[in-house]
Amino acid sequence: DQQVKQNSPSLSVQEGRISILNCDYTNSMFDYFLWYKKYPAEGPTFLISISSIKDKNEDGRFTVFLNKSAKHLSLHIVPSQPGDSAVYFCAASGRSTGNQFYFGTGTSLTVIP
Amino acid sequence: NAGVTQTPKFRVLKTGQSMTLLCAQDMNHEYMYWYRQDPGMGLRLIHYSVGEGTTAKGEVPDGYNVSRLKKQNFLLGLESAAPSQTSVYFCASSPDGDYGYTFGSGTRLTVV
Repeated sequence: DQQVKQNSPSLSVQEGRISILNCDYTNSMFDYFLWYKKYPAEGPTFLISISSIKDKNEDGRFTVFLNKSAKHLSLHIVPSQPGDSAVYFCAASGRSTGNQFYFGTGTSLTVIP
Repeated sequence: NAGVTQTPKFRVLKTGQSMTLLCAQDMNHEYMYWYRQDPGMGLRLIHYSVGEGTTAKGEVPDGYNVSRLKKQNFLLGLESAAPSQTSVYFCASSPDGDYGYTFGSGTRLTVV
């Protein structure tokens, strides 16, 4: 039973526009969330995180929003660049999961020049 | 800066064969993890370790064994490979388990 879901397998965006990647979770005890970026033939790399005490965290072009009541988080990339083309995974953890991270299935982002 | 190194990068096994995947990290991290990535399934935790000499089961541990005899190494063993274990395996490490992991580049395993 997938506790973290990314319902959009793929997303295409024009260069310079905003990319919005979505993630839903089912376990209300999750309190820490991460986004990873993965290029082909490479391991995932950490992108940005947010804890449940916040509803927004920003790092340059990347912003993560957390809506705890909806059990939903999103990653905004503004402006999108061709180098952002990759698979993005969200992950969630909490004390109830022994701080183990559960990953979503990933969204493949393509930024069109 | 090596980070997390996985060996081998590719392997083809016959059903019933055994093999060991090696993960090595040079960041003095306490926590280490083995994940598998399958289409439509995301990354699923197989086993993990919170320190030298410790191991614990993750979400999908069946068919795998692990050992953490040295802090820097985390081995994943398949005693009798099955086609269902065809996957991409990722190792990761973390200083304390609370923050973002550092992943290796993966091992693509095919069991025929």
